Amino acid sequence: GNSVTQMEGPVTLSEEAFLTINCTYTATGYPSLFWYVQYPGEGLQLLLKATKADDKGSNKGFEATYRKETTSFHLEKGSVQVSDSAVYFCALSDPSGTYKYIFGTGTRLKVLA
Amino acid sequence: SQTIHQWPATLVQPVGSPLSLECTVEGTSNPNLYWYRQAAGRGLQLLFYSVGIGQISSEVPQNLSASRPQDRQFILSSKKLLLSDSGFYLCAWSWRSLGPGNQPQHFGDGTRLSIL
Repeated sequence: GNSVTQMEGPVTLSEEAFLTINCTYTATGYPSLFWYVQYPGEGLQLLLKATKADDKGSNKGFEATYRKETTSFHLEKGSVQVSDSAVYFCALSDPSGTYKYIFGTGTRLKVLA
Repeated sequence: SQTIHQWPATLVQPVGSPLSLECTVEGTSNPNLYWYRQAAGRGLQLLFYSVGIGQISSEVPQNLSASRPQDRQFILSSKKLLLSDSGFYLCAWSWRSLGPGNQPQHFGDGTRLSIL
């Protein structure tokens, strides 16, 4: 079946450090891939997406590249800020056409000033 | 533009009481609609999704039910709440007209439900 695996958190970084949050997936077919961010007490916000292999999604300094050969979609940011502290979710759309989405368990990021 | 509304934002209910959470979407037609539950510090659990009026798919056997009385309205209900129903409930929508797979979901602000 389809699944998403994210690195365990929490991830604690100093301000201006480089961020990587790993995400790998298992899917039959060709899903679209997404990163969402959730701030405390709020819903999930779409951060970026990629719909086919080698696509790079980017937004607000965050980037992720759809790597079909390694079934990965790692989230990166060159210089994190305290305001980036949140929970990050990797997700894929079910490629079999059910309109369902599969989410990872989330990775909490804490950025210290 | 499209917007999604969930209410109430916070709810405290006694065990055994009924529940009704409402979600509406504006600015689109024929959306796919979803209910998720998120336990404290945990990931998302898909509860129900709907691809049309009166069409509800249940993902997890539980104490809850969902209904879609109108195209852009999705309601989560329970006749008798359990302690284990506590959590953060999120409604989401996605485009159906553009076909499955390529479009992201868009989430509401959530309802925090506490059962006493």
